[in-house]
Amino acid sequence: DVKVTQSSRYLVKRTGEKVFLECVQDMDHENMFWYRQDPGLGLRLIYFSYDVKMKEKGDIPEGYSVSREKKERFSLILESASTNQTSMYLCASSLLFGDSYEQYFGPGTRLTVT
Amino acid sequence: SQQGEEDPQALSIQEGENATMNCSYKTSINNLQWYRQNSGRGLVHLILIRSNEREKHSGRLRVTLDTSKKSSSLLITASRAADTASYFCATDAMNTGFQKLVFGTGTRLLVSP
Repeated sequence: DVKVTQSSRYLVKRTGEKVFLECVQDMDHENMFWYRQDPGLGLRLIYFSYDVKMKEKGDIPEGYSVSREKKERFSLILESASTNQTSMYLCASSLLFGDSYEQYFGPGTRLTVT
Repeated sequence: SQQGEEDPQALSIQEGENATMNCSYKTSINNLQWYRQNSGRGLVHLILIRSNEREKHSGRLRVTLDTSKKSSSLLITASRAADTASYFCATDAMNTGFQKLVFGTGTRLLVSP
């Protein structure tokens, strides 16, 4: 059974803290994605990666960075957390080659920045 | 760059009734997918329809695609309380150079016993 796991379900951080969100997949997928989900805005892509050490900006990369040192792990970093980064963060993975690009999602991390 | 827009935003029905959700998108696509999200959880893939297909079935799900109108619909027949969730369409726009999906804002479905 395919699996994407995220390091925390709930996280509370203070403004200005550096925050790490970890995502691990066990499907040997090349592509990995980080989204944030906010009410009324749906899912918005922050960053994605199609290979180790490769990354591409999504639609809302400001205030975030990512790291992919191993194929199975994709980390989202909030360099200096701010209250407007309070959100649900979803990680996903998919195959690089194929004809469907179906994405497999983790359970999400609900981050609160106070 | 929101591509998909679902309609309605929220839908409330009784168990046994059918639920229909619609999705409109803006650019040409290779395929369109539907996902379900239970409250506070990640998304789960339901069904994919390719741009050269007009209709597809999977269990109680029926998806249609009209590329001329850039729209899709998801029909859930004989709904159950367990179908209560948010439903999202997602498209992979052609010529983006990468396998990104663009998600809509979702339809919240409530099925009452």
